[in-house]
Amino acid sequence: AQTVTQSQPEMSVQEAETVTLSCTYDTSESDYYLFWYKQPPSRQMILVIRQEAYKQQNATENRFSVNFQKAAKSFSLKISDSQLGDAAMYFCAYRAMNRDDKIIFGKGTRLHILP
Amino acid sequence: DTEVTQTPKHLVMGMTNKKSLKCEQHMGHRAMYWYKQKAKKPPELMFVYSYEKLSINESVPSRFSPECPNSSLLNLHLHALQPEDSALYLCASSQGADSSYEQYFGPGTRLTVT
Repeated sequence: AQTVTQSQPEMSVQEAETVTLSCTYDTSESDYYLFWYKQPPSRQMILVIRQEAYKQQNATENRFSVNFQKAAKSFSLKISDSQLGDAAMYFCAYRAMNRDDKIIFGKGTRLHILP
Repeated sequence: DTEVTQTPKHLVMGMTNKKSLKCEQHMGHRAMYWYKQKAKKPPELMFVYSYEKLSINESVPSRFSPECPNSSLLNLHLHALQPEDSALYLCASSQGADSSYEQYFGPGTRLTVT
């Protein structure tokens, strides 16, 4: 069975600094998607970034980038120039490709931004 | 318009009540989802509707009854709930149920069962 592990329940970062959130996963599949979702205190969950496992290039979206290590089954999220609006719960997630399988979420990392 | 709306925002109900949660999207999506999220936990999938047909039921108790009247609407009917059913109920939609499509989440309904 696929699993997603986020080992950092909470993290804090100073505003304007860089922070990295860790995620590891386990799967026997070769094709899959990995995601980072953000859920601010107002609750609406949004997709921050997505990585296709067949792509070697790490995905980036503005200040958000990932370090995808397929062999190590590691998928960390780096947030550069942290802003107060980045404070949220961040969920790492996995989904098998080309199927209707459900999204497997990690337990989440609560990120605090210190002014 | 990339919005999924949910009503009500908050709901308090007794264990003998019957109530419904409503979810709506106008993005032309053909897959819609119900998730349950307890505090400080990730969302747990409950149901998936694909092309208005129930395609996944994650062994949810029968006191939760989903309904998809049309491609834009998804309801969750609640009856005889237990206090442990108190949670945030999230709706999501995607272009299709295949994993290549991004899921868009609504803001949720905060349910309290007394």
